[in-house]
Amino acid sequence: GAVVSQHPSWVICKSGTSVKIECRSLDFQATTMFWYRQFPKQSLMLMATSNEGSKATYEQGVEKDKFLINHASLTLSTLTVTSAHPEDSSFYICSARGTTDYEQYFGPGTRLTVT
Amino acid sequence: GQNIDQPTEMTATEGAIVQINCTYQTSGFNGLFWYQQHAGEAPTFLSYNVLDGLEEKGRFSSFLSRSKGYSYLLLKELQMKDSASYLCASLNSNYQLIWGAGTKLIIKP
Repeated sequence: GAVVSQHPSWVICKSGTSVKIECRSLDFQATTMFWYRQFPKQSLMLMATSNEGSKATYEQGVEKDKFLINHASLTLSTLTVTSAHPEDSSFYICSARGTTDYEQYFGPGTRLTVT
Repeated sequence: GQNIDQPTEMTATEGAIVQINCTYQTSGFNGLFWYQQHAGEAPTFLSYNVLDGLEEKGRFSSFLSRSKGYSYLLLKELQMKDSASYLCASLNSNYQLIWGAGTKLIIKP
């Protein structure tokens, strides 16, 4: 149990375009989802915390107008990178937490390359 | 404040034992996680400690001392496939994980 999927697993896009990444909890209801970004040889950096039905809480330094997060249902959250630039190229990972869990279950990650 | 410290890199020999230390300062501490991460992949859960003491799970064990803000991950009978980064993360009162920078473990034959 506790499986989280992400789609796509990798994406290449041109500078200036937008990319949407989906995060789904497949067998449990995720009241909270987290979005992380990881650059090569660095640890995970929390971008935002998303609770179902409410606005996401962004970490300091993360532009909420650039990284749009929607958590419309208990099984789906989306991250849209708007007007992507090469410096946005990174590994984006989501995780989900159930109503009674302290543990976060991670998706497999999405590798974004902006050319 | 919130801070996690762990060594950047460690080297060990196949078949040996290695201990990876982690110290933390976390507001509203709710427990300590260890994750394994292979290059290009998402982290995978190894252990969770919220009470003081040692939790053993096969070849991996994790220890926590809340009063000292200290944890360690012990890996026994090292195998080449254990070469990975090991991430220490503390859970704060908002159920957010505060991550260490990770310890890259290199296993040599």
